[in-house]
Amino acid sequence: DAKTTQPPSMDCAEGRAANLPCNHSTISGNEYVYWYRQIHSQGPQYIIHGLKNNETNEMASLIITEDRKSSTLILPHATLRDTAVYYCIVIATQGGSEKLVFGKGTKLTVNP
Amino acid sequence: DAGVTQSPTHLIKTRGQQVTLRCSPKSGHDTVSWYQQALGQGPQFIFQYYEEEERQRGNFPDRFSGHQFPNYSSELNVNALLLGDSALYLCASKSRAYGYTFGSGTRLTVV
Repeated sequence: DAKTTQPPSMDCAEGRAANLPCNHSTISGNEYVYWYRQIHSQGPQYIIHGLKNNETNEMASLIITEDRKSSTLILPHATLRDTAVYYCIVIATQGGSEKLVFGKGTKLTVNP
Repeated sequence: DAGVTQSPTHLIKTRGQQVTLRCSPKSGHDTVSWYQQALGQGPQFIFQYYEEEERQRGNFPDRFSGHQFPNYSSELNVNALLLGDSALYLCASKSRAYGYTFGSGTRLTVV
């Protein structure tokens, strides 16, 4: 089962910031939080990941709470092309390999 | 730089048949994972290959098998197809720095 909980859907106005929450209350100390998104009929696309500190790249920012039980993905200026399903994933590591355990994600709709 | 390449893009098979899906990982990636995504669901992990061996497996029956070649490309084989095997099959290759890169998938329809 997925170790994360996300709202099933969210809406955002074009040009505004989109803030997507994720709960991962059972996260272990050495587990990373990854965010992927999937645009219709395409494979998931890596966005960002983090362990403890907040992270920022050209696509988004990731804010992780101090207790690491939740995080927020921020798209600072959402565009129509950001409409997608966003997945928050906690990496499960076994024997040195890793698998991604996806939940149902959040369907983000950016409206004009 | 080519990303993860999967073939074919679409496939229709009859129940009971066998199917082979192919994946070429992104250049420099040596680990390949396969996922099954049913309509409206998130991808589900099938298995992962590294150094031509299956390293980890999800909750899928033995009808699902795979192979990794010396050039890191991989195949997913499904025997005795069921209607419930209809799904988008995704291949992902791994980068240490940035996590997994996914292909666009193979849409398998079993009729």
